[in-house]
Parts: sequence; structure tokens; C-alpha cells
Amino acid sequence: AQSVAQPEDQVNVAEGNPLTVKCTYSVSGNPYLFWYVQYPNRGLQFLLKYITGDNLVKGSYGFEAEFNKSQTSFHLKKPSALVSDSALYFCAVRGPSMDTGRRALTFGSGTRLQVQP
Amino acid sequence: DSGVTQTPKHLITATGQRVTLRCSPRSGDLSVYWYQQSLDQGLQFLIQYYNGEERAKGNILERFSAQQFPDLHSELNLSSLELGDSALYFCASSPGTFTDTQYFGPGTRLTVL
Repeated sequence: AQSVAQPEDQVNVAEGNPLTVKCTYSVSGNPYLFWYVQYPNRGLQFLLKYITGDNLVKGSYGFEAEFNKSQTSFHLKKPSALVSDSALYFCAVRGPSMDTGRRALTFGSGTRLQVQP
Repeated sequence: DSGVTQTPKHLITATGQRVTLRCSPRSGDLSVYWYQQSLDQGLQFLIQYYNGEERAKGNILERFSAQQFPDLHSELNLSSLELGDSALYFCASSPGTFTDTQYFGPGTRLTVL
């Protein structure tokens, strides 16, 4: 079974400082990893994904994530946080199955990012 | 805007009732997924359809069912509702390719009183 852990319920950072939201995963085979963001009363917005290739993935709104296979981690990062980045962030994983019926995402519990002005 | 639409946005109903949630996927997407988001269970996969056929089931209760129609829109039916069914229900769609990304709709907030 696949699983995702987001060890921090909340991350607080000052505007302009770098931010990191942590994610570790467990899956059989090579992982497909995703980050989504959820703003209040909104759906989940796709930020970025890792499929294969470069371990540093760049996504929307200046976010990036670093895939580390040995540590089974996929931490979300941003060099300079904005107040508008305050939201709920979800890491998700799925396995590399060719079967269209095995591509449902398993989500972490979410991390609330609070950026203070 | 992801291109995935869900109706209604909000639904308030009583225990024991039945409701239907509707989802229209992005143009061209063949896969539709349903997820439930609740405070105690987090985000959980319920069921997936691909081009009209059920392809995978997650933690979906027997009281819940879904279908995908020829025009690829999907409906999630929830019956004999209980207080614990109160949650945000999301639909996501994807092209169905090997490396595809799921795009989520705005969700339907169900409140069971």
C-alpha cells in the first residue's frame, strides 16, 4: 500500500524568507509525486509533479520541490515566501502502474502554511 | 479555474436522505475520480471511472455509488445519509495517460443535519 506523511501540521514563516514544507512517501516501484494547494473554500490546485528525470522540479507560483529517492522525500520549497502563499498544502503519491485503474492519488494529511507580513 | 465543474456548491439535507452530486470533467479528459475530504479522515479516494467504466474503488461505502455517462460527466449518489457523511466531495479529471495529472473541481460541501 502507498502512503504519504506530512509531519508538520503547520509551518510559520516570515514574508520574504525561504519556506519548506516536508513530505515523505512510501510506494512500490518508482513514485509519481504531486503537490497541491488548497485555498479557503476552494478546490485543490495543482502546483507541480515529479515523474522522472531532474530531481528538482519547478512548478507554479515560484514553487519547486526536490525529490530524494534515498530519503523517500519530496519537500516543497520556495525561495521567498509571500503572504498570499498562506494556504493548505497537500503532498500526494501514486505508483507507476500502466493500469488506468491504479492511478488514484494517496494524499498526506496536509500542512497549513502561514506567512506572516 | 481547473476546467472541472461541480454542482451544487453546497447541499444541506437530513439524515436518511439521498443526494446526487454532479461533475463535468475537463474537455477531453476520460478519467473521473471522486474524493472525500473530511476533518477526521482527510482526503480519501472514493471511486474512479474511465471512459464510462468503473476502474477502481477506494474507501467508498456501500451506500454510495457513482456512474459516468456517455458524455463523460459523472454523478456520485449518496443514500441513507448519516451525520458522518458531512464532508467536502471533490471530483477530479485527467486525460487517462500514463503520466497524467488530476485536476480538481471546486467541490460540493455536503451538510447532513
